[in-house]
Amino acid sequence: DIQMTQSPSSVSASIGDRVTITCRASQGISSWLAWYQQKPGKAPELLIYAASILQGGLPSRFSGSGSGTDFTLTISSLQPEDSATYYCQQTDNFPYTFGQGTKLEIK
Amino acid sequence: EVQLVESGGGLVQPGGSLRLSCAASGFTFSRYSMSWVRQAPGKGLEWLSYISSYSTAIYYAGSVKGRFTISRDNAKNSLFLQMNSLRDEDTAAYYCARGAYCNDDGVCPLSSFDSWGQGTLVTVSS
Repeated sequence: DIQMTQSPSSVSASIGDRVTITCRASQGISSWLAWYQQKPGKAPELLIYAASILQGGLPSRFSGSGSGTDFTLTISSLQPEDSATYYCQQTDNFPYTFGQGTKLEIK
Repeated sequence: EVQLVESGGGLVQPGGSLRLSCAASGFTFSRYSMSWVRQAPGKGLEWLSYISSYSTAIYYAGSVKGRFTISRDNAKNSLFLQMNSLRDEDTAAYYCARGAYCNDDGVCPLSSFDSWGQGTLVTVSS
C-alpha cells in the first residue's frame, strides 16, 4: 500500500498569512493526488485534484503543486473560514490512501 | 444538485452485521464510480471500498476485505455496504463518495471524490 505522510500535523497562523502543507507519498504517484478540507461535524470537501487543479467554485487562494512523491497545498492569504483539517489522498492505485491530516487553526 | 444521503447506521454488537445505503440524486448515478470512506471518532479518513459504474471492478481496503461487501443498484440509484463480523474498531462515521464519470463500457478512470454524503454513524459496542 502507498503511505501518505502529511506535515505538519497541526499549524497555527494569522489572517492574511501564507500557509503551506506538504504531503509525501511512499512511492511515485504521478499527479494522482487530491486535497480535501474538512470542518468539524461536516463531510470532507474536494479542494484540489490531479495535484494542481482547483475544484470549481472554490477561491483562488487555494493552490496545489507537485508530482511524483512530493506535493504541496498552499493557502496564499489565510481567511477565518479556512480553519479546518486538510487531507491529501492518492488515487494512483488501490487501496486509495489518505494522509493523516493537518489541523489548521487561526491565531 | 448532486445529493448523496447515507442511511442504515446504528448501534450493533461485536460480531453483528449492518447494511448501509447511499441514495443518490441530481446526477446520472449509473455513469459514476462510487466509494465508501469512514472516519473513526477524532481520527482521520480511511478509504474502504470502490465500485465501478457497472460493478465490474470492485476493490477493498485490507482492514475490511472479507468482511464488507460493496454493491450498487443502478436502477434504484443506490449504493450499499454490507458489513459483517463487525468489530469495535469499525465504529465510525461512514461516508459514500462519488468518483469518476465512466465510459459507455463501464471503464472508470482513477479519480478523487467530488461529492460526499453527510455520513451515517456506526457504533459497534456490547
